[in-house]
Amino acid sequence: EAGVAQSPRYKIIEKRQSVAFWCNPISGHATLYWYQQILGQGPKLLIQFQNNGVVDDSQLPKDRFSAERLKGVDSTLKIQPAKLEDSAVYLCASSSANGYTFGSGTRLTVV
Amino acid sequence: EDQVTQSPEALRLQEGESSSLNCSYTVSGLRGLFWYRQDPGKGPEFLFTLYSAGEEKEKERLKATLTKKESFLHITAPKPEDSATYLCARGIREKLTFGTGTRLTIIP
Repeated sequence: EAGVAQSPRYKIIEKRQSVAFWCNPISGHATLYWYQQILGQGPKLLIQFQNNGVVDDSQLPKDRFSAERLKGVDSTLKIQPAKLEDSAVYLCASSSANGYTFGSGTRLTVV
Repeated sequence: EDQVTQSPEALRLQEGESSSLNCSYTVSGLRGLFWYRQDPGKGPEFLFTLYSAGEEKEKERLKATLTKKESFLHITAPKPEDSATYLCARGIREKLTFGTGTRLTIIP
């Protein structure tokens, strides 16, 4: 079974620029999540999708972050404009009845 | 809202020296308690899920236990390859709240 694919692996941008991350979940997994993991902390849920509908985005900073999941498969997470405090690893995960699988993440550095 | 606290923040052990990691949480109820392992540059890898006080699960040198207010991850005779950050999380309706993790280093 292929894992959760994320790209890019690394991204360095200047503050106020925009950036987008891509995630391809495990085939057949209806639920997809984006987590933010700041260095030295545990992952924090940003948004949860069920198929292509949003289930929970209560912790997503909607003034600068947006996410979509077209056709209930791939997802993109966008930040515009980025701030220094957005430097983190952005993890995508998908789940089935058997549990969660995380991707390796995208490490974002905002300078 | 769930609060999940892990201790210690970091732990260095000699190879073969057994120990335990702690995970405590503030909200009881019908939520799962999850343990994950995270290696540098990778996403968390699932280890265990526990649901009921008194429940125990084992995998190789790891054993997870659960009480009403906390969970322990016991590591027996660890090897250098067990070095990683161990994360615990509480879950309800698939949403996970993570602790900050314990960074475990096993010295050969």
